[in-house]
Amino acid sequence: AQSVTQLDSQVPVFEEAPVELRCNYSSSVSVYLFWYVQYPNQGLQLLLKYLSGSTLVESINGFEAEFNKSQTSFHLRKPSVHISDTAEYFCAVSTAAGNKLTFGGGTRVLVKP
Amino acid sequence: EAGVAQSPRYKIIEKRQSVAFWCNPISGHATLYWYQQILGQGPKLLIQFQNNGVVDDSQLPKDRFSAERLKGVDSTLKIQPAKLEDSAVYLCASSTGTSGGQETQYFGPGTRLLVL
Repeated sequence: AQSVTQLDSQVPVFEEAPVELRCNYSSSVSVYLFWYVQYPNQGLQLLLKYLSGSTLVESINGFEAEFNKSQTSFHLRKPSVHISDTAEYFCAVSTAAGNKLTFGGGTRVLVKP
Repeated sequence: EAGVAQSPRYKIIEKRQSVAFWCNPISGHATLYWYQQILGQGPKLLIQFQNNGVVDDSQLPKDRFSAERLKGVDSTLKIQPAKLEDSAVYLCASSTGTSGGQETQYFGPGTRLLVL
């Protein structure tokens, strides 16, 4: 079975400051890694995912995440946040055996002006 | 392209009552999922369908929860009887069903259930 730990439940950050959201996973088999974002009053939507190849993956709105197999981590970063990045961010894993997602508990990001 | 539709958006019931949620996935998506998201936690998979067959229902409390996906399109999730701890957001998601664990899942807005 897989598990996902998001170490920070809430991260307050000022606008234009950098942010890092930590995600660690546990699995006995190879995994695929995802970050989903949930904006207020909306459903979850995919931010980025790692399937294979380059360990650094980027999203279209400036987020990036790096897969670190030795540390079993997939931390999410953005060098400069905007007010519109206020949302809850979920890290998730799946395996080649099936498309079931196992989610972490989520990190709520509040961007302050 | 229309997204995943869910209804109702909100529901308040008393314990021991029954409730049903409806989901219409993205057209052509073979795989449909129901998740339960308790406040402060990440979504937990309740049941996964591939077309109209159940792939995984290991986390579904089968004594009170049931789900069906007739004709491999729409799906309903029912709770009977509801308990206080069933208060949560129920999320429906769908995916193409062609790429296994690599697939992106597309989520609906969810149904927020409050059991009093």
